[in-house]
Amino acid sequence: DQQVKQNSPSLSVQEGRISILNCDYTNSMFDYFLWYKKYPAEGPTFLISISSIKDKNEDGRFTVFLNKSAKHLSLHIVPSQPGDSAVYFCAASLSNSGYALNFGKGTSLLVTP
Amino acid sequence: EADIYQTPRYLVIGTGKKITLECSQTMGHDKMYWYQQDPGMELHLIHYSYGVNSTEKGDLSSESTVSRIRTEHFPLTLESARPSHTSQYLCASSEYFVTENTEAFFGQGTRLTVV
Repeated sequence: DQQVKQNSPSLSVQEGRISILNCDYTNSMFDYFLWYKKYPAEGPTFLISISSIKDKNEDGRFTVFLNKSAKHLSLHIVPSQPGDSAVYFCAASLSNSGYALNFGKGTSLLVTP
Repeated sequence: EADIYQTPRYLVIGTGKKITLECSQTMGHDKMYWYQQDPGMELHLIHYSYGVNSTEKGDLSSESTVSRIRTEHFPLTLESARPSHTSQYLCASSEYFVTENTEAFFGQGTRLTVV
């Protein structure tokens, strides 16, 4: 049963504009949420995270928003750059499973010049 | 830059063969994980380890087995490979449990094809 869902398999954005990647989850017990970025033929790399007790975390061009009541989080990239083109995975960790990560299916972001 | 390595990167093998996918990290991390990913799908946790001599099964049932005899090494073994095992296998490690301030580092993955 998939607990982390990314319902948009792909997204195309123009360079300089905002990219918004969405993620929904079903398990209200998740403690932390993370975003990973993956280029082809490489492993995922960590991008940004947020604790379940917060509603926003910002790191440079990347901001993650968490809406616990809606069980929804989003990643905002402003401004988007062509180098941001990659697959973005939303993940959540749960303390009673050793904090191992539950991943969504990913959203493929294409930033066009 | 993460120091976690997986070998081989690509493997094509015949049905019934025994294979071991290697994963090593030089960061001294106690926590290690194996994920399986089919194209366009989410990563599924199949095994994890809290430290030496500790192994646990993940959410996704897998016919593979793992061992953790040394901190830096977490190999995954398939005793008899089948076409249904064709997938990408990703190894990861973390210093502590993955929280807001502790990330998991991933290897580049092994793409396994069983013919």
